[in-house]
Amino acid sequence: GAGVSQSPSNKVTEKGKDVELRCDPISGHTALYWYRQSLGQGLEFLIYFQGNSAPDKSGLPSDRFSAERTGGSVSTLTIQRTQQEDSAVYLCASRSTGLSRSYNEQFFGPGTRLTVL
Amino acid sequence: SQQGEEDPQALSIQEGENATMNCSYKTSINNLQWYRQNSGRGLVHLILIRSNEREKHSGRLRVTLDTSKKSSSLLITASRAADTASYFCATDARDSNYQLIWGAGTKLIIKP
Repeated sequence: GAGVSQSPSNKVTEKGKDVELRCDPISGHTALYWYRQSLGQGLEFLIYFQGNSAPDKSGLPSDRFSAERTGGSVSTLTIQRTQQEDSAVYLCASRSTGLSRSYNEQFFGPGTRLTVL
Repeated sequence: SQQGEEDPQALSIQEGENATMNCSYKTSINNLQWYRQNSGRGLVHLILIRSNEREKHSGRLRVTLDTSKKSSSLLITASRAADTASYFCATDARDSNYQLIWGAGTKLIIKP
């Protein structure tokens, strides 16, 4: 596609339920990032996928959070047993690794707004 | 950990005036990037400045980088209502794994 897409755009769930958020990166981008952004705050890094390398999961806040990237393309972020503090906008970004580091620009999707009641 | 810190946290100016936002960081970098975010959703890349560059222009945007002070500034000239947004700096740290470290952002409001 032309840009990074995310679905759903909005998700309202009840505390304790599991949710899955999807990210479809720009075709050919081998690097994919998940971030979380609470209202009025900056970006909190969650996880980073780079090609076939083991993902960098250092930003995941708890073991209720996990993410997969199948076939080096689409990624799914799963939050189990959601809590109210999980409410935030979840942003996905992708990056081309065919260019030098001088062009390390990330392209963002529109985000998924998650509300846990 | 958060490396970039923008100031001010919020800025409100009249349309037509210039807006200046600053960013400070802590470690050596490969490059520093500025992004804009409208309505709390996806971010859009504005400009990237490499560590060996001191100033860069793109349209009404001017970015400066002072690696000795570990700081950068973003100047928007002749501001427009459409420039109302949050602006974030992000650093590509020299010892990072291609990750960007983000500041908390400056919320810019342009009054018509």
